[in-house]
Amino acid sequence: TQLLEQSPQFLSIQEGENLTVYCNSSSVFSSLQWYRQEPGEGPVLLVTVVTGGEVKKLKRLTFQFGDARKDSSLHITAAQPGDTGLYLCAGLRYAGGTSYGKLTFGQGTILTVHP
Amino acid sequence: KAGVTQTPRYLIKTRGQQVTLSCSPISGHRSVSWYQQTPGQGLQFLFEYFSETQRNKGNFPGRFSGRQFSNSRSEMNVSTLELGDSALYLCASRHGTGLRETQYFGPGTRLLVL
Repeated sequence: TQLLEQSPQFLSIQEGENLTVYCNSSSVFSSLQWYRQEPGEGPVLLVTVVTGGEVKKLKRLTFQFGDARKDSSLHITAAQPGDTGLYLCAGLRYAGGTSYGKLTFGQGTILTVHP
Repeated sequence: KAGVTQTPRYLIKTRGQQVTLSCSPISGHRSVSWYQQTPGQGLQFLFEYFSETQRNKGNFPGRFSGRQFSNSRSEMNVSTLELGDSALYLCASRHGTGLRETQYFGPGTRLLVL
């Protein structure tokens, strides 16, 4: 069962365009993380959002956590070819102060930015 | 610090065989999680080990097993391989707890079952 629905699955844009990736769930998560994965490598953590309504910025990337902590979005401004990759959202639930190592991932968004 | 290392990086097996994959976490990290990544199902949690104990397990059949050694290195084993086991197997070592938790992923082992 896929608890995190990520959209779109594929995104092909020109350099300089803006884009938004969505991550939605019917369940509440303690925190949401966004990862980026390049071919032949493991996912690399970009950001963790923990508070409902929280907004975090990482250069041209803006991450938002929904008020109810069930959804999140990633917005990229003026995309560059170097942004190309697989973007994954992942939810964490804590029990007794730990997630017991389990991340629940969305299906991922394959982003291609053409020069 | 060296990152998470996984060996081997690539593996080809035939149906019915078994396979063992290895993961060395970042020095000082005691928690290791394993994930399976396929185009159809995405990244799915297999299990987590902490201080040599399995603390959490995903929805995979008993053919998938693992263990962790006293130096925190971990292995996962898949017995009686099926074609559907072809995937990228990722391990991650975890630092911190609760809201400060960060998982660091290795490059993965790509398994092809023929």
